[in-house]
Amino acid sequence: ETGVTQTPRHLVMGMTNKKSLKCEQHLGHNAMYWYKQSAKKPLELMFVYSLEERVENNSVPSRFSPECPNSSHLFLHLHTLQPEDSALYLCASSPILGGSSYEQYFGPGTRLTVT
Amino acid sequence: DQQVKQNSPSLSVQEGRISILNCDYTNSMFDYFLWYKKYPAEGPTFLISISSIKDKNEDGRFTVFLNKSAKHLSLHIVPSQPGDSAVYFCAASDIQGAQKLVFGQGTRLTINP
Repeated sequence: ETGVTQTPRHLVMGMTNKKSLKCEQHLGHNAMYWYKQSAKKPLELMFVYSLEERVENNSVPSRFSPECPNSSHLFLHLHTLQPEDSALYLCASSPILGGSSYEQYFGPGTRLTVT
Repeated sequence: DQQVKQNSPSLSVQEGRISILNCDYTNSMFDYFLWYKKYPAEGPTFLISISSIKDKNEDGRFTVFLNKSAKHLSLHIVPSQPGDSAVYFCAASDIQGAQKLVFGQGTRLTINP
């Protein structure tokens, strides 16, 4: 248990559906991240939020829309996804962006399948 | 262009022996390196890290070595235990990247009893 939870753990959706992934951290951290892990590829950083402001968008298609209402919660809204978007989506948090600690704490991930 | 590479997708080691996992990087601006461990159905968990001002960091059975001139780091686990079987990711960051971690593809370590 890392203090970062993600729901749902598994999600199957059609290409015309709209769904949201949720992440919650109980660590008092101020920075939160979304990563994508596709089969046999490294973790790819998608978005970074610091103090609820988006500070990084790593050229992610607009069909992925993040939301950070407060420092404990992070959402990833999904719409009109493609089958190639099927992957493991991981949320992470860290104490503060730009601080001395580079460690990030990951949630268990949401396994997304787009049909 | 992959900046962090783990060239061995898998490694099998006998219980009690030393496991050595390798990682190479190309970006000379990286100044902090981390190893993460991942079990199936769980997210990666932080294992050990090293700053570029050091060449070795040790934590119990785990030691990370950094060779800046070769842009190479390695993770040594000794003695290896069955519970060490997992996928290991190395990651790198630079202070200008503000903790943006760049990950390798991972190495699946299997410890045989």
